[in-house]
Amino acid sequence: KQEVTQIPAALSVPEGENLVLNCSFTDSAIYNLQWFRQDPGKGLTSLLLIQSSQREQTSGRLNASLDKSSGRSTLYIAASQPGDSATYLCAVRPGGGSNYKLTFGKGTLLTVNP
Amino acid sequence: ETGVTQSPTHLIKTRGQQVTLRCSSQSGHNTVSWYQQALGQGPQFIFQYYREEENGRGNFPPRFSGLQFPNYSSELNVNALELDDSALYLCASSLGATRRGGPKQGNEQFFGPGTRLTVL
Repeated sequence: KQEVTQIPAALSVPEGENLVLNCSFTDSAIYNLQWFRQDPGKGLTSLLLIQSSQREQTSGRLNASLDKSSGRSTLYIAASQPGDSATYLCAVRPGGGSNYKLTFGKGTLLTVNP
Repeated sequence: ETGVTQSPTHLIKTRGQQVTLRCSSQSGHNTVSWYQQALGQGPQFIFQYYREEENGRGNFPPRFSGLQFPNYSSELNVNALELDDSALYLCASSLGATRRGGPKQGNEQFFGPGTRLTVL
């Protein structure tokens, strides 16, 4: 059974700092990995999708890496801003016959202080 | 391009009642997945619908059921509500599921804003 863990559970940083969020998964046979942002009480906004054959994806100040063999992904946020404050979730889609669902971690609650 | 929409935004029910939640998929998408997110937890997969048929199911009891319509919109029905059913219910749409393999390679799932269900 796939399990996804995100560390840390919460993170508070001053504005302008670069930061890294971590995601680990127990079964390396994944199809892809997706990072989401969730504002309080809201739905999920897709940030980056990394296919199993890729090593990283970039979008603006965000960079996500994937090391499938070790079951790890990181989300790097450069020059953080107060507007980045949210919960960040990673989710993996498994390979094989049951690859229709996403398995999520519990998320990292990020607070960027002005 | 129209995004994923869900209705209602909030809902309050009492134990034992039944509820129907609705989702309209993103324009051009034909696959809808439903997730339950309890407070402080990550979303949990309930089931997925592709072309009006269930394409996969998570570890939820039969009182959780769904429908997909010809326009690819979807409903989630929950019977005999329990207190633990209180959660944010999220709908996600994507393109091109197959009967066995799920969404085609590379296709992201795009989520709606969710319905907050409170069971008293």
